[in-house]
Amino acid sequence: GESVGLHLPTLSVQEGDNSIINCAYSNSASDYFIWYKQESGKGPQFIIDIRSNMDKRQGQRVTVLLNKTVKHLSLQIAATQPGDSAVYFCAENKAGGFKTIFGAGTRLFVKA
Amino acid sequence: GAVVSQHPSWVICKSGTSVKIECRSLDFQATTMFWYRQFPKQSLMLMATSNEGSKATYEQGVEKDKFLINHASLTLSTLTVTSAHPEDSSFYICSASSPSWEGTAGEQFFGPGTRLTVL
Repeated sequence: GESVGLHLPTLSVQEGDNSIINCAYSNSASDYFIWYKQESGKGPQFIIDIRSNMDKRQGQRVTVLLNKTVKHLSLQIAATQPGDSAVYFCAENKAGGFKTIFGAGTRLFVKA
Repeated sequence: GAVVSQHPSWVICKSGTSVKIECRSLDFQATTMFWYRQFPKQSLMLMATSNEGSKATYEQGVEKDKFLINHASLTLSTLTVTSAHPEDSSFYICSASSPSWEGTAGEQFFGPGTRLTVL
């Protein structure tokens, strides 16, 4: 079935470096994409979102890039900090609906 | 921002008993709530979509008689795991959305999750 997936299950970066987490989606009808951060034992926390009419959106230390041609999303975290260590999920929302489908997740380890 | 709470945060029960989990939107009215389950080191899997005042819509493979969902008000949805078994042990997470917010179609606010352990 349709799914949102990730290329890398784990990512280890040095504190202060930039992190890039990638995600592939398969449903071309999706028009809203979200990145969530989940710490152990907690619910997902919204990081940043992007709609399909955009290809880039920036937040505080984070940037989401959307390439609709190849159905690819990425999350860039600048100057990664130990507090960024968590599992990151991309998620897609189908056009006209509220149902959000989550990808597999990438665990980010930040080495001090 | 919008706050969603869950109660209890964790529960341990014996096999065969039923467990009720509450999901509340604290500062907004949620016409739609979602229930997810998450196994260790896995992603969130949508179980059902709950609309206030109507029956929940269950995802394929989710037993509606096993996981009873009630959305009786705009701020409360409950998930009851009936006749729980060890394989039902999981992290259950709810989320809430409200289409009345300008430009917020698709935005969801997640609760902190409920850890269910069935012995």
